[in-house]
Amino acid sequence: EVQLEESGGGLVQPGRSLRLSCAASGFTFENYAIHWVRQAPGKGLEWVSGINYNSRSLGYADSVKGRFTISRDNAKNSLYLQMNSLRAEDTALYFCAKEHYDGSGYIGAFDVWGQGTMVTVSS
Amino acid sequence: EIVMTQSPATLSVSPGERATLSCRASQSVRSNLAWYQQKPGQAPRLLIYGASTRATGIPARFSGSGSGSEFTLTISSLQSEDFAVYYCQQYNNWPSFTFGPGTKVDIK
Repeated sequence: EVQLEESGGGLVQPGRSLRLSCAASGFTFENYAIHWVRQAPGKGLEWVSGINYNSRSLGYADSVKGRFTISRDNAKNSLYLQMNSLRAEDTALYFCAKEHYDGSGYIGAFDVWGQGTMVTVSS
Repeated sequence: EIVMTQSPATLSVSPGERATLSCRASQSVRSNLAWYQQKPGQAPRLLIYGASTRATGIPARFSGSGSGSEFTLTISSLQSEDFAVYYCQQYNNWPSFTFGPGTKVDIK
C-alpha cells in the first residue's frame, strides 16, 4: 500500500525550531517530487514547500522562505522539513504529499497524502 | 504568486441535485489545475487533475472543465458522501503552487 506518514510535530515556543519527517512506503520514493502542505485550524490548505526527485529543485511559499528548509534522503525513503524561527502563524497540521504520475509524465497534483502532524507555536 | 479564488464560499444543495463550483486564477495556469475533496478530520483526496481528468477511483459524477484562468467542478447528482470542502490548486509553475480558499458543500 502506498503510504506517507508524518512525524515530529508538537508544541514549540515562538522563535524556536522543529524538524518534521515524512516516511514513505509502497512506492519508489526516489522517482517522485514530494511536498509539504499545511492547514491551520479551521482554515484552508496552504502549499508550503516542494522538492524534486533528486533535490536539485526546491521551492517555498513566501510565508516560510528563509525560515524553512526542505530536504530528502532517498536511501531512507524520507522527506524532512526544518522549521526555524517559528511564529504563531505557523501553527497548523502539516501534511506531506506525493506528486502524481499519470503514465506519461509527472503531474503537480497530489495523489497520496499522509494524515498530518500538528505543530503548535505558542508560549 | 498566482492567487486562486473560489466561489461560492458555501453551496447548499439537496441530495440528488447538481452542484457547480467555480475556481479562478489571477493569471493563466493553462490546464494545470487540480481539485480536491476534504472531509473533517481527513487528508484531502485528489479528484481531478489536468483540469478535467478524473483521478483513479473517482466516480463519473465528478467532472472538471475549463482552461486558462476559469475552471469549474461539477458534481452531477450529489450523494451523501459528497458533502465536504472542495479546493482547487494550480501547479503551473513548479514548484510554486497555490490552493484556493475552498468551497464548502453542505446539505440544503
